[in-house]
Amino acid sequence: RKEVEQDPGPFNVPEGATVAFNCTYSNSASQSFFWYRQDCRKEPKLLMSVYSSGNEDGRFTAQLNRASQYISLLIRDSKLSDSATYLCVVRRSSYKLIFGSGTRLLVRP
Amino acid sequence: EAQVTQNPRYLITVTGKKLTVTCSQNMNHEYMSWYRQDPGLGLRQIYYSMNVEVTDKGDVPEGYKVSRKEKRNFPLILESPSPNQTSLYFCASSPQTGDEQFFGPGTRLTVL
Repeated sequence: RKEVEQDPGPFNVPEGATVAFNCTYSNSASQSFFWYRQDCRKEPKLLMSVYSSGNEDGRFTAQLNRASQYISLLIRDSKLSDSATYLCVVRRSSYKLIFGSGTRLLVRP
Repeated sequence: EAQVTQNPRYLITVTGKKLTVTCSQNMNHEYMSWYRQDPGLGLRQIYYSMNVEVTDKGDVPEGYKVSRKEKRNFPLILESPSPNQTSLYFCASSPQTGDEQFFGPGTRLTVL
């Protein structure tokens, strides 16, 4: 079983839709959590950190449920430019990040 | 411009021919790391470095070497490449281990 699991998708949604991704992690000692965005054949870039209290950045909302060991990302009012792969990332220790294999999002006109 | 650079960006080579992929960052970051990305497996850490002359293995270190003689550079060395090392490689850096990691543009390596 992978340490960080994501539904690979693709999620195919129309512009303006709300879409949610979940991610589960197996190591209960994981320290911190992130969502990264990766465009096709490009480098990953930090989208947002995920805090226990939940956090929002514009159209993006991230939530963490430590008890159930899952992380979610909600995107409201999807734009064509949101089409990308979203990577769930868990910090296992000070020096190790564990990446999920990503969820692909396609936003259609 | 603050950035992480990698060279070469694309490389096709043959089994057994030693190669080095360079990584350099101009942000004075202490922490640097190498990852490989393969379909369905996500990014997996190869090696990381906490500072100059301090390196350690990641999750998939076999067949790779690294060095950190200067803070800005963290080259990845494949002494005897094999076809199973065909992959997309990313270098990353961050000021502290808990901070956002900044990735280089990637190196696509094919070993025939």
